[in-house]
Amino acid sequence: EDQVTQSPEALRLQEGESSSLNCSYTVSGLRGLFWYRQDPGKGPEFLFTLYSAGEEKEKERLKATLTKKESFLHITAPKPEDSATYLCAVQSKGAQKLVFGQGTRLTINP
Amino acid sequence: GAVVSQHPSRVICKSGTSVKIECRSLDFQATTMFWYRQFPKQSLMLMATSNEGSKATYEQGVEKDKFLINHASLTLSTLTVTSAHPEDSSFYICSARVLAGHTGELFFGEGSRLTVL
Repeated sequence: EDQVTQSPEALRLQEGESSSLNCSYTVSGLRGLFWYRQDPGKGPEFLFTLYSAGEEKEKERLKATLTKKESFLHITAPKPEDSATYLCAVQSKGAQKLVFGQGTRLTINP
Repeated sequence: GAVVSQHPSRVICKSGTSVKIECRSLDFQATTMFWYRQFPKQSLMLMATSNEGSKATYEQGVEKDKFLINHASLTLSTLTVTSAHPEDSSFYICSARVLAGHTGELFFGEGSRLTVL
């Protein structure tokens, strides 16, 4: 059974304080690993898809990396508007659905 | 990114009534849509996979007679919560994949907050 575990559950940072969020996964065969951002009361917003170990993608202050067992979402010099819950999900080969982790609630204090 | 729209965003109903939530793909055709449920401070739990022109596939433990899903066109899927009870109160979110088959990113609607009194 595919599983996704995210850590930490919650993270508070000062504005400008860089850090990383972790997503550990087990999957029979990885088709893709996805990162989403979710604001309170809203649907998830797509950020990145990673397909193979060693792949990296960047968007503004965010950078996602992938190994065979985990993915990291690095946030550099965050701003208060980066506060949100960040969700990680995996899709296994042959499956249509995504399996989501519990998310990391990120709070950036000004 | 692709746009998925849900309606209504909030609905309050009395216990025993039925509520319909619509999910539309605005700028692409979606042969498959997914319905998720999310409890406060918890992650998304897949309820069912909605396939255009055929019956939905429900996840284990989800009552298909309670949560009726219809995917009548390539741009519209509906979720009807029948005979709603307070325990059905939740945040329901739909999503759709831009590309056919198993590839491509999932894009999500804005979600629908259901409160059953």
